[in-house]
This record gives sequence, structure tokens and C-alpha cells, in this order.
Amino acid sequence: AQSVAQPEDQVNVAEGNPLTVKCTYSVSGNPYLFWYVQYPNRGLQFLLKYITGDNLVKGSYGFEAEFNKSQTSFHLKKPSALVSDSALYFCAVRDGRGKLIFGQGTTLQVKP
Amino acid sequence: GAGVSQSPSNKVTEKGKDVELRCDPISGHTALYWYRQRLGQGLEFLIYFQGNSAPDKSGLPSDRFSAERTGESVSTLTIQRTQQEDSAVYLCASSPYSGSLGNEQFFGPGTRLTVL
Repeated sequence: AQSVAQPEDQVNVAEGNPLTVKCTYSVSGNPYLFWYVQYPNRGLQFLLKYITGDNLVKGSYGFEAEFNKSQTSFHLKKPSALVSDSALYFCAVRDGRGKLIFGQGTTLQVKP
Repeated sequence: GAGVSQSPSNKVTEKGKDVELRCDPISGHTALYWYRQRLGQGLEFLIYFQGNSAPDKSGLPSDRFSAERTGESVSTLTIQRTQQEDSAVYLCASSPYSGSLGNEQFFGPGTRLTVL
């Protein structure tokens, strides 16, 4: 069965510092991986996805993610965090029928 | 263009009552998904529709939950005899044809359901 793990409930980082939000996955076959962000009282917004090709994927708002097949990871990164990046981040994998299987989410707190 | 819309945005109901939640997907999106997000938790898949194919109901937690979709448009999620554990945010998403697994899903703002 496919699954996604986000090992950190919360990540704290100072504004201007690089940030990483971790995600590992377990799938049979090729993974289709996604990152979404959820701001308070809002729906989920798509950030980026990995389907195939380059292991470094660039997405919205300056975020990027690195696909690492040997480590079965898809960590979300940003070189310089903003206070406005503070939100709940979800990693997800697409199963063979199309639905998304989500991790538990990681709260990112960026402090001024 | 317009995104996915859901109504109502908030619903407070008494235990034992039935509720209907509505989702209007993005026009032209053939795939529609319902998820549930309990407080402080990730999203749980409930049900998905793809065109005229039989829906994937594998995520529905009990027979109190059902959903319908009219063609490739509006969907309604119905919860009968609501229980307090049904309290959650119910999110709807749509995407172009789900046969291409690379298509991202676009989410609505959700309906916050509170069962007293």
C-alpha cells in the first residue's frame, strides 16, 4: 500500500534562513508526488509536483523539492524563508486510481 | 477562472440529523474527490468520481455516508444520522481526467461541519 510520512509535526525557522520540510514515501511503481500548503481557514493550494525528469522540482512562491529515489524522499525546501510562509504543509502521493494519500502535515513557523 | 466552490462554508447540526454538503468543481474537470480533515490531522480520502465510471467509494467510513454527482458537474456529500465524530472539514477537489496521474487536484475552501 502506498503511504507518505512527514516525520516532523512542526518546523521552526528564522526569517531569511533556509527551510526544509521532510517527506518520505512508500509506493509500488513510479511515484507521483505532490506538495500542498494550507493557510488558516483556507483550502489546500498546490505548490509543486514530481512526475518524472529532473530530481529538483521548482514550484510556487519560491519553493522547490528534491526527489531522491534511493532515500524515497521528497523534501520541500526554500532558500530564504518568509514570515508569510508560515502555514501547514502536506506531502501527498497519488495512488494508481488517482486519489491522493496525504501525510499528517507539518506546521511551518517562520519567526521574524 | 472560477475555482472549486463549496457550500455551506460552515454547518452546525445536532447529533442524529442529516446534512448535505455541496461541491461545484472547476468547469471541464472530469474527476472529483471528497476528503475529510479532522482537527489537527491529515486528509482522509472519502470518495472519487471520474466521468461516467462507477465511483470509488473505498474511503467512506460508514454506510451513513453517501455521495452523488450529476454528470461532470455538481456533487453532493450526504451524511445521515450525524455523530459527533463526523465533525471535521470536508474538502472537495477536482482535476482534469484522472487517467493522467500527473494532474494536480484543485481544492475548494471546504465545509466545516460541527455536530453538537
